Amino acid sequence: SAVISQKPSRDICQRGTSLTIQCQVDSQVTMMFWYRQQPGQSLTLIATANQGSEATYESGFVIDKFPISRPNLTFSTLTVSNMSPEDSSIYLCSVDEHSNTEAFFGQGTRLTVV
Amino acid sequence: KQEVTQIPAALSVPEGENLVLNCSFTDSAIYNLQWFRQDPGKGLTSLLLIQSSQREQTSGRLNASLDKSSGRSTLYIAASQPGDSATYLCAVPTSGTYKYIFGTGTRLKVLA
Repeated sequence: SAVISQKPSRDICQRGTSLTIQCQVDSQVTMMFWYRQQPGQSLTLIATANQGSEATYESGFVIDKFPISRPNLTFSTLTVSNMSPEDSSIYLCSVDEHSNTEAFFGQGTRLTVV
Repeated sequence: KQEVTQIPAALSVPEGENLVLNCSFTDSAIYNLQWFRQDPGKGLTSLLLIQSSQREQTSGRLNASLDKSSGRSTLYIAASQPGDSATYLCAVPTSGTYKYIFGTGTRLKVLA
């Protein structure tokens, strides 16, 4: 199974600033995803990170707020831009090694915006 | 639109009890269903994956069943331990895609 390293594990940020979260996988994977988990809520998909092209965003999420990069098959970044306290959440990277089989998750980034 | 519901939302049991967590989904055209565990403030750990052609999967004290026709899955935990305390989430992929829809979770507390 894929091993996913996510950095940072947690951060406290000032409103109006941006934070970039990194997701590194120990093997090449087809699908990479970014999820958000707001306090007390379940997970919501932000976007699919596409290798070599623009990410595919879900309804309610836009590229200006959550720019995503995926330069190769093992790495992706998610930036949370112009942060507000409402962005305080756990952000999780997920991969699907062989497309629609088992999904694996990183340990998440716990973001607090003050 | 796929919707996933988990019952109960929270559960507190004494150590040693066998327990059942429930997951229901509205669209039965799923490829698989996956159960996860999440410790407070942490990421998700995959527990069991059931393919659409399977009816159940077992791992240690955990057993998950799947009934696609009725849109239900159950996670059975035998001889519960305090270390089992966590939130348990079920998830199914959106029809025709690889994107998972998550249930709201069951917060389990096993008392020593």
